[in-house]
Amino acid sequence: NAGVTQTPKFQVLKTGQSMTLQCAQDMNHEYMSWYRQDPGMGLRLIHYSVGAGITDQGEVPNGYNVSRSTTEDFPLRLLSAAPSQTSVYFCASSSDRERRQYFGPGTRLTVT
Amino acid sequence: AQSVTQPDIHITVSEGASLELRCNYSYGATPYLFWYVQSPGQGLQLLLKYFSGDTLVQGIKGFEAEFKRSQSSFNLRKPSVHWSDAAEYFCAVVPPGAGSYQLTFGKGTKLSVIP
Repeated sequence: NAGVTQTPKFQVLKTGQSMTLQCAQDMNHEYMSWYRQDPGMGLRLIHYSVGAGITDQGEVPNGYNVSRSTTEDFPLRLLSAAPSQTSVYFCASSSDRERRQYFGPGTRLTVT
Repeated sequence: AQSVTQPDIHITVSEGASLELRCNYSYGATPYLFWYVQSPGQGLQLLLKYFSGDTLVQGIKGFEAEFKRSQSSFNLRKPSVHWSDAAEYFCAVVPPGAGSYQLTFGKGTKLSVIP
């Protein structure tokens, strides 16, 4: 099993550009989440999904969109990047059975 | 507000010394409790977790944590620190009634180890 994979590993954007961070899991987990990590802030929940077609907002959802068309994939979209979105983004998946999250390796995004 | 707190931003210990990292939570009921470690430039690795039962939990890499309901704490300990333990440590909770997809993290404690 690859677990949770994220692409790209690094990305530099200009203000106003759009992009999609990809996340996929091969553990057949029903739940998936996106977090951002900023120095001194820990990780904060952006959006989450409890199943295909079902998403909801976390603590810091502004400026981000998500969708979940399949169990495996949970992309995060930045429609118009801002410097405040410079961060490291982590995707995670989990299940009711295990009750713990598995994290991807992260994407480091810089917005100039 | 309900939250999880790690009071120490940065701790420095000598190699071979014991370690205790503090974590407190403020919820009306006991949340699910986790400790994660993040080495520089790396992702998050789960050290241990507590859902219920025995209040002393053993994890990987020689770490353990003790849940104390009366103190709303879940402190992480290691009897003898190795230089490779230098990393950032995060306490995290799933709030009572929430799903496993809603982890709330503390702000982290950075551990430095003096050889």
